[in-house]
Parts: sequence; structure tokens; C-alpha cells
Amino acid sequence: QQQVKQSPQSLIVQKGGISIINCAYENTAFDYFPWYQQFPGKGPALLIAIRPDVSEKKEGRFTISFNKSAKQFSLHIMDSQPGDSATYFCAASFQKLVFGTGTRLLVSP
Amino acid sequence: GAGVSQSPRYKVAKRGQDVALRCDPISGHVSLFWYQQALGQGPEFLTYFQNEAQLDKSGLPSDRFFAERPEGSVSTLKIQRTQQEDSAVYLCASSFRQGAGELFFGEGSRLTVL
Repeated sequence: QQQVKQSPQSLIVQKGGISIINCAYENTAFDYFPWYQQFPGKGPALLIAIRPDVSEKKEGRFTISFNKSAKQFSLHIMDSQPGDSATYFCAASFQKLVFGTGTRLLVSP
Repeated sequence: GAGVSQSPRYKVAKRGQDVALRCDPISGHVSLFWYQQALGQGPEFLTYFQNEAQLDKSGLPSDRFFAERPEGSVSTLKIQRTQQEDSAVYLCASSFRQGAGELFFGEGSRLTVL
């Protein structure tokens, strides 16, 4: 049973463009929604996170949009750079963190 | 060190061997999690410790998997009689809060079972 569904599976964006990754969840008990970035051979690293009482959170070029009624949230990466090329995971937490299946992002120069 | 440290980074085992994977969390972090990440997949929850207490082991795939954190610091994940389907990266994460808030992950231990 996949509690957090993530799309797309892979994404190619031109340098300077906007990368958008979407996630949907089922469990309304989730109360924390982080995004993790993972480079090959490394562990996931927290990028940005949001709680359900907020509809948007922005940190630098990264923005989370959260729609509680639709049980959906998304990550927007503005002015995407080649160094952003990595796998991105959305996640949701109540007592433990449940991850999405990941999006492999490639930012072309 | 300042981060979560895992060892060994790479382990090759013959099917049927026992393996032990070690995790050194960030000093003072009360929560410790183990995750399993198959190739091309997201991390899957295995087990959770709050200090030395194992509060959730619902993700352990079988009774061949065992985890401990006897003094509330270092944790060991043990896999007995390894099978090929156990091949994966095993990630450890810690948090200074109770439960799963901001998790800090180690680089993982890659297990290959031949």
C-alpha cells in the first residue's frame, strides 16, 4: 500500500527553467511534509518542509505548495541549475516518515 | 563527526551469511530510524528507536532482521541467513526530536548478497 504517490518518475528541465514535482497522500493524520534531495551514493538530505496549517513555504529557489483539501503538495524549483540534478523524494510523517517513489531530475546546461 | 556515520559502507555477503550494520547517530539525538532503499526506489521504513526503546518494528521484513540500540546511542541492524532479496542500501537516520521530524540521514550501507 503506497501511502504517498509521487510524479513524474523522471524530469528533464532546461537550465533556468522551473522544475515541478507533485505528490499526493491518503492518510489525513500526516502532519509534516518534507522534501529530500539525494545524490548518487549519498543519503537523502532535507531540502524544505511544510506543516499542513500553511499553504506555501519558500526557501530560496525552492517552494512547497500545499493543498490540504486535495491532499496534494508539490515542490517547485525556480531557476533550475545543473547542480540541482538529483533524485527528489517527497515524504509525509505522522509517527514515521513515509517516502514517495522519487523523481529523477536532470537539468540540462 | 558531525553527521550520522554508518559502517561498513559496502558489504558483500554470500547467501546464508549473517551481517551486522552499524549506525552512529548525531550526538544527543533521541530518535533513530532504519530504512531500506532498493535500487531506484524510495526508502522504506524498517524500525524506530526512541533512546534505547524500540517503539516500532513494523517494517522489518522478516524475523531474520533484528535491530538494537542498547545504550540509546549506537545502533546495529543484524540480518541473519541473508537472502538475495536483502540486497539494498540500508539507511540510518536520527533526529533530536521524538518521532519523525527533521531526519538526518547517513550515507548508507550497501549490502549485496550473492
